Amino acid sequence: AQSVAQPEDQVNVAEGNPLTVKCTYSVSGNPYLFWYVQYPNRGLQFLLKYITGDNLVKGSYGFEAEFNKSQTSFHLKKPSALVSDSALYFCAVRSRDDKIIFGKGTRLHILP
Amino acid sequence: DAGVTQSPTHLIKTRGQHVTLRCSPISGHKSVSWYQQVLGQGPQFIFQYYEKEERGRGNFPDRFSARQFPNYSSELNVNALLLGDSALYLCASGGAAGQTQGMQYFGPGTRLTVL
Repeated sequence: AQSVAQPEDQVNVAEGNPLTVKCTYSVSGNPYLFWYVQYPNRGLQFLLKYITGDNLVKGSYGFEAEFNKSQTSFHLKKPSALVSDSALYFCAVRSRDDKIIFGKGTRLHILP
Repeated sequence: DAGVTQSPTHLIKTRGQHVTLRCSPISGHKSVSWYQQVLGQGPQFIFQYYEKEERGRGNFPDRFSARQFPNYSSELNVNALLLGDSALYLCASGGAAGQTQGMQYFGPGTRLTVL
């Protein structure tokens, strides 16, 4: 069965430092992977996706993610964090029947 | 273009009552999916509809039902509400199967509180 794991409930990063939010996945076949962000009292906003091609995917707001097939990981990264990046981040995978399966989320705190 | 819209924004009900949540997809999108997000967890898949037919159902009791209308809008109905149904209910729309590669666009959600 398809699944994603986000091992960290919370990540704290100082403003200006690089950030990484971890995600590992379990799928059969080629994975379709996504990152979404959720701000308080808001729905989910799409950040980026990996379907095929380059392992480094660039997305919105300066975020990028690195697909690593051997480690079954899809970590979200940003070179320089902003306080406004503080939010809840979800990694997700598309299942065979086109459902989106989400991880439990990682709360990112950017400290000024 | 307008994004996915959901109504109402917030809703308070008591146990045993019934609730109907509504969703309008992005213009041109034919697929609507519903998710339940309990506080502190990731969204859980409830239903997917495409061209007015149910395409998928998550692990939710029969108290949950949905339908999609000819204009592709959708309703999620929950009967005999329980305290545990309190959650943010998210609607997502997508294009035709195979065209969006699983891409779904989410609405702002309906916050349901069951007392």
